[in-house]
Amino acid sequence: EAQVTQNPRYLITVTGKKLTVTCSQNMNHEYMSWYRQDPGLGLRQIYYSMNVEVTDKGDVPEGYKVSRKEKRNFPLILESPSPNQTSLYFCASKGSVETQYFGPGTRLLVL
Amino acid sequence: AQTVTQSQPEMSVQEAETVTLSCTYDTSENNYYLFWYKQPPSRQMILVIRQEAYKQQNATENRFSVNFQKAAKSFSLKISDSQLGDTAMYFCAFMKLNTDKLIFGTGTRLQVFP
Repeated sequence: EAQVTQNPRYLITVTGKKLTVTCSQNMNHEYMSWYRQDPGLGLRQIYYSMNVEVTDKGDVPEGYKVSRKEKRNFPLILESPSPNQTSLYFCASKGSVETQYFGPGTRLLVL
Repeated sequence: AQTVTQSQPEMSVQEAETVTLSCTYDTSENNYYLFWYKQPPSRQMILVIRQEAYKQQNATENRFSVNFQKAAKSFSLKISDSQLGDTAMYFCAFMKLNTDKLIFGTGTRLQVFP
């Protein structure tokens, strides 16, 4: 089944404790992206990647890092999480068809 | 910069009735895509329908159809024969050609009543 997977789905952590949210797609898509969703703000892009080893900032990149060492994986790294990064995070991928497919979301709470 | 506006934070409709969700956007681009995504209580983002700006014909997917007015920069979603499973948050989104970046509106929460 073609899909985008994210892990973990739920995470509670404390301020300053580094964490990684994994994202993987099995559709051989070149483009992958991370969004965060906050009440009243919709979804906003954090980082995106056009292909392996090619990443760039989206609209809200502060406090986040990404890497794209393999085509299928695009992890989101929070080196020192803060409470304002409490949010619902989505990974998405896109192939040649101009439609993005989303993972199931990761709900993060930073205490 | 492109912006997407959904002016209806919440809407409700009775089962089997028709409801229209509004979306307007602002862009100076001529070629772009517009999308409606559905987010049910599970939080999954599900593509409902897609419209290419160069196509004059309005997109349709079963009970879902759009009214795309390019000059007015309007992109409304019509849901016919509403079902309880249509209860969800609906997001309108814009994507400029060759950028791959989605710009979302703030969403409309739709409640379908029996």
